[in-house]
Amino acid sequence: ETVLTQSPATLSLSPGEGATLSCRASQSVRNYLAWYQQKPGQAPRLLIYDASNRATGIPPRFSGSGFGTDFTLTISSLEPEDFAVYYCQQRYNWPPLTFGGGTRVEIK
Amino acid sequence: QLLQSGGGLVQPGGSLRLSCVGSGFTFNNYAMAWVRQAPGEGLGWVSSITVSADNTWYSDSVKGRFAISRDNSKSTLYLQMSSLRAEDTAVYYCARPVNPGGTDMVFDYWGQGALVTVSS
Repeated sequence: ETVLTQSPATLSLSPGEGATLSCRASQSVRNYLAWYQQKPGQAPRLLIYDASNRATGIPPRFSGSGFGTDFTLTISSLEPEDFAVYYCQQRYNWPPLTFGGGTRVEIK
Repeated sequence: QLLQSGGGLVQPGGSLRLSCVGSGFTFNNYAMAWVRQAPGEGLGWVSSITVSADNTWYSDSVKGRFAISRDNSKSTLYLQMSSLRAEDTAVYYCARPVNPGGTDMVFDYWGQGALVTVSS
């Protein structure tokens, strides 16, 4: 099973600041890595797929990078609606599909 | 576009069936999946199924107890859950992959979620 480790667990930032979230895989997942955003009481929302492709309707302040085992989600300038939990997910070594444990981006 | 039903309270050892109706897209062109989230926890994959249901996959934690199926004539995905345990308590989401036809399991549409509580 491919374990995804996200860091940090919590990121405390102010609106307008940039955010950098990390996802590390226990083995290579090539570029088959996605990022989701989840707000309380809501289903996850796909942000990035295949490491760097923005999903439909996702604003350009969200960007993804990485290959193999190390991946990054960058939010260039936090908007109030961006404070949420973010998960990475791999689809290269499956089954099982695996998700990271999440990074909470909270208002400082 | 994915409307779920069927959650609720069930006793340990009991059974429950979840349903997920797809609309606004050609349901029978897409593989589908179930993902769950225990209270206060992260996301966990449960099961996936191909377009024609000729292949199904399960997480080790539910294998032999849960069964995924679909009725393309009704645009409906199912998850039959049996021998339920307290640790199965979670919100269950159905999810549709981005791309039709294959098994590229990255999900751009999700159901609203159905809470399953396993407790005596």
